[in-house]
Amino acid sequence: QQQVKQSPQSLIVQKGGISIINCAYENTAFDYFPWYQQFPGKGPALLIAIRPDVSEKKEGRFTISFNKSAKQFSLHIMDSQPGDSATYFCAASKGGGSNYKLTFGKGTLLTVNP
Amino acid sequence: GAVVSQHPSWVICKSGTSVKIECRSLDFQATTMFWYRQFPKQSLMLMATSNEGSKATYEQGVEKDKFLINHASLTLSTLTVTSAHPEDSSFYICSARAFMGGQPQHFGDGTRLSIL
Repeated sequence: QQQVKQSPQSLIVQKGGISIINCAYENTAFDYFPWYQQFPGKGPALLIAIRPDVSEKKEGRFTISFNKSAKQFSLHIMDSQPGDSATYFCAASKGGGSNYKLTFGKGTLLTVNP
Repeated sequence: GAVVSQHPSWVICKSGTSVKIECRSLDFQATTMFWYRQFPKQSLMLMATSNEGSKATYEQGVEKDKFLINHASLTLSTLTVTSAHPEDSSFYICSARAFMGGQPQHFGDGTRLSIL
């Protein structure tokens, strides 16, 4: 059972455009929602994260929107650049005795054309 | 800050040999370390969770005798793939989490394992 569903699987955006990636989760116990960026041959790097007590978090060109009632969250990349071309993973975890294990979405391959 | 180093980055070995991969947190103490496996164009699959000084907790379907994990200190965890076979070829990634609650996982750059 996939607990975090991510879409789209791939996304092509023109330079300067907005990239939007969506995720939906099922487990209401999740209380931490990070986004990771992964380049080929590298490990994932934490991009931005949000907790359910806020509906939006912005860091530079990256924004997470969070809808607790719908159990959905999304990543918006403003003014997308070719250097943003990578695979993006959403994830979710719950704290306490679970050791904060992350449940990952399947990933979105973003291509930003120059 | 929050740097996780993984070594080696790439290893090729013959079928039947054992391979050890190291994961180190360079600038923080990692209470918990995680080991993942990733196939091409797929997501990360958690293999096991290890806490310093304790036995690792393996995910369902992961052979604990095949993938030996040791978390001997707050800055080092190792994954040993025993008697490796071609089907064990994959990208192995570790992550580490600091002691304080609510801290995120920081990932190493992965190890590409190829078994001939």
